[in-house]
Amino acid sequence: KQEVTQIPAALSVPEGENLVLNCSFTDSAIYNLQWFRQDPGKGLTSLLLIQSSQREQTSGRLNASLDKSSGRSTLYIAASQPGDSATYLCAVQTQGAQKLVFGQGTRLTINP
Amino acid sequence: GAVVSQHPSWVICKSGTSVKIECRSLDFQATTMFWYRQFPKQSLMLMATSNEGSKATYEQGVEKDKFLINHASLTLSTLTVTSAHPEDSSFYICSAAGRFLETQYFGPGTRLLVL
Repeated sequence: KQEVTQIPAALSVPEGENLVLNCSFTDSAIYNLQWFRQDPGKGLTSLLLIQSSQREQTSGRLNASLDKSSGRSTLYIAASQPGDSATYLCAVQTQGAQKLVFGQGTRLTINP
Repeated sequence: GAVVSQHPSWVICKSGTSVKIECRSLDFQATTMFWYRQFPKQSLMLMATSNEGSKATYEQGVEKDKFLINHASLTLSTLTVTSAHPEDSSFYICSAAGRFLETQYFGPGTRLLVL
């Protein structure tokens, strides 16, 4: 059974800092891994999708890496801004399965 | 990108009543739709997977007779919470995927409060 863990559960940093969010998964036979952002009381916004054959994806100030063999992914946020404050969720789609398995999320606060 | 809508966005109901939530894919055909539930400060938990024209597949621990799912067309799935109780109060999110399941597109969610 696939299990996804995110560390830390919460993170508070001053504006302008670079930061890294971590995601680990137990079954390395994945189809893809996705990072989402969720604002309070809202739905999910997809940030980056990494296919199993890829090692990283970049979008603006965001960079996500994938090390399938070790069951890890990181989301790197450069030059953080207060508007980046949200909960970040990592989700994995296992090979042969349709569903996504989500981590518990990291609640990020960027202080002005 | 693909757009998924949910209706209503907010619903308050009395205990014992039934509530229907709609999930629509607006600009693509969703062969598969997923229903998730999210309790406060927790992550999304998959409740069920539905394929158009087939019966939904429920996750372990989810009562299929309480959470009725209908996926009658390629653009619409509905979740009906029957005989709702306060413990059913939660944030319900749907997602939709096309034929090749390359990615899921998420709706904005429906917040249910059962009094």
